[in-house]
Amino acid sequence: DTAVSQTPKYLVTQMGNDKSIKCEQNLGHDTMYWYKQDSKKFLKIMFSYNNKELIINETVPNRFSPKSPDKAHLNLHINSLELGDSAVYFCASSQVPREGYTFGSGTRLTVV
Amino acid sequence: SQKIEQNSEALNIQEGKTATLTCNYTNYSPAYLQWYRQDPGRGPVFLLLIRENEKEKRKERLKVTFDTTLKQSLFHITASQPADSATYLCALAFYSSASKIIFGSGTRLSIRP
Repeated sequence: DTAVSQTPKYLVTQMGNDKSIKCEQNLGHDTMYWYKQDSKKFLKIMFSYNNKELIINETVPNRFSPKSPDKAHLNLHINSLELGDSAVYFCASSQVPREGYTFGSGTRLTVV
Repeated sequence: SQKIEQNSEALNIQEGKTATLTCNYTNYSPAYLQWYRQDPGRGPVFLLLIRENEKEKRKERLKVTFDTTLKQSLFHITASQPADSATYLCALAFYSSASKIIFGSGTRLSIRP
């Protein structure tokens, strides 16, 4: 059983399109996250939700909008995609803040 | 400015030796420091956590130290094996932000047979 699952694994799309990435965790964790890993391998936090409530919203363009329908799901919608959005996006969850995260396997987004 | 630096982008170690990876930080006061392993095309996997009041933590062949005076953590893998080859990331967590951890850029470790 996959603990944190993301779909799709790969996403190739044209500039200007709107796309969504879905994430689900079956660990019963209260907190979920979206991280972006760029070409230099830096992982940067984008958003965090605790029990469906947004608690972290880093400096991310408004084109990125997270949605958490319940505490097991955190989706990421991106409008008007730009070339610079190309990266690997990771979903993660944790039960206790500051302690170990469980990551999904990532979604590689390529904007052409 | 605030920085997390991990030693050299890549580290090459002979099988059986101890691999030592370094994580240095400036202008942060972390409550916790975590280490993760990341394989190509996969998400990071949590390995160990050490708290600011702990000097050392061990788990099987892994050992982590945390020196808040030097602002440094060392991550050791003893009796290294080719299967230990991966990128290792350190991450800082803070009292002031319960749900955010900040990652270093990682060190790519290769263990040669």
